[in-house]
Amino acid sequence: AQSVTQLDSQVPVFEEAPVELRCNYSSSVSVYLFWYVQYPNQGLQLLLKYLSGSTLVKGINGFEAEFNKSQTSFHLRKPSVHISDTAEYFCAVSSQASGGGADGLTFGKGTHLIIQP
Amino acid sequence: DGGITQSPKYLFRKEGQNVTLSCEQNLNHDAMYWYRQDPGQGLRLIYYSQIVNDFQKGDIAEGYSVSREKKESFPLTVTSAQKNPTAFYLCASSGLAGVANTGELFFGEGSRLTVL
Repeated sequence: AQSVTQLDSQVPVFEEAPVELRCNYSSSVSVYLFWYVQYPNQGLQLLLKYLSGSTLVKGINGFEAEFNKSQTSFHLRKPSVHISDTAEYFCAVSSQASGGGADGLTFGKGTHLIIQP
Repeated sequence: DGGITQSPKYLFRKEGQNVTLSCEQNLNHDAMYWYRQDPGQGLRLIYYSQIVNDFQKGDIAEGYSVSREKKESFPLTVTSAQKNPTAFYLCASSGLAGVANTGELFFGEGSRLTVL
């Protein structure tokens, strides 16, 4: 079984400042990692994913994340945020075991990113 | 356009009534999922189905039921046995089967159920 911990429930940041949203996971096997974004009263949209290869992953809207296996982390970063980045962000994990993704993703509790003008 | 359609978007029901939430996808995906979202709790898996006429319980299946009679459709019934049904419900699908399944999910826009 896997688990995901998002260390901050809320992150306030000023517009055009950099931001990092933290995510740690726990698993006894290798994992796939995802970040999703949710705007109010909407579904989740995939920002980026780590499946294999380079540990630095680039996604949509200028976001990137770095997979750190030794620290079991997958932190999300953006060098300069915009007011439109205000949303809820979810980190998620699935197992790389054979067919391990078939029973869905395990999600963290989310981080609310608040952009202040 | 291909995607996942959930209906209704908003639903109000009296306590003790069963309600059914619709989820339809035209992505030709094999697997479909229902998640429940509550403030500050993230997403919790209710049921999932990897193939027609088969489905499995997730972490919080009590008080819910599903069916998978067609590949495109995966309706969720919230029964009167569900103690706290007021929540935001999300349907998702995944296109890969078997060992190739990374777990990546595509989501609908959600249905907000309020029980009065």
